[in-house]
Amino acid sequence: GAVVSQHPSRVICKSGTSVKIECRSLDFQATTMFWYRQFPKQSLMLMATSNEGSKATYEQGVEKDKFLINHASLTLSTLTVTSAHPEDSSFYICSARVVAGSRYEQYFGPGTRLTVT
Amino acid sequence: GQNIDQPTEMTATEGAIVQINCTYQTSGFNGLFWYQQHAGEAPTFLSYNVLDGLEEKGRFSSFLSRSKGYSYLLLKELQMKDSASYLCAVLHSPGTASKLTFGTGTRLQVTL
Repeated sequence: GAVVSQHPSRVICKSGTSVKIECRSLDFQATTMFWYRQFPKQSLMLMATSNEGSKATYEQGVEKDKFLINHASLTLSTLTVTSAHPEDSSFYICSARVVAGSRYEQYFGPGTRLTVT
Repeated sequence: GQNIDQPTEMTATEGAIVQINCTYQTSGFNGLFWYQQHAGEAPTFLSYNVLDGLEEKGRFSSFLSRSKGYSYLLLKELQMKDSASYLCAVLHSPGTASKLTFGTGTRLQVTL
């Protein structure tokens, strides 16, 4: 299957600072990437859909000014958590979509564990 | 909106067979995925069903009934390493874009 990487895998930051997380599709081009957040023992919650060359589409309840998404190329999407607070501590996972004919495949990155102190 | 239900936890014995059920209600249904997720790791793809019926892949099989809004994941010859969360996810198109919505996940514990 396709490979999606994320960087960093873990980050600890102080409250009020900003953190950028990168998501790359390594061996394919992804016009659409997705950003999920997962709290302990809960399932993945879609935050936003990132489209190459256009603005991201945010899910209801997700603050677009706090979670900035940029999808500047077909292989890179970034999520910036601005003015982070302890409640933003979570596991952030990106995913890239591959559409081949009638098949739809979605591959996940290894995730980034963010801890805000 | 979407409503996806799975049992929260299941326990099964090594070597046995376990079936994890998933029911869903959604509009614009485009397929159903099963993912495996070990603690602290990202989900890994197991199966994708878009048509009714059974898809078999080694020890894992997945079934879909679109008319009933029902799917199950069948794991055979259970191994200890199968202890993980199993996520049912529905692909749907609320508009022009498709997106994947996850159920709450089923934590499977395989015991000796």
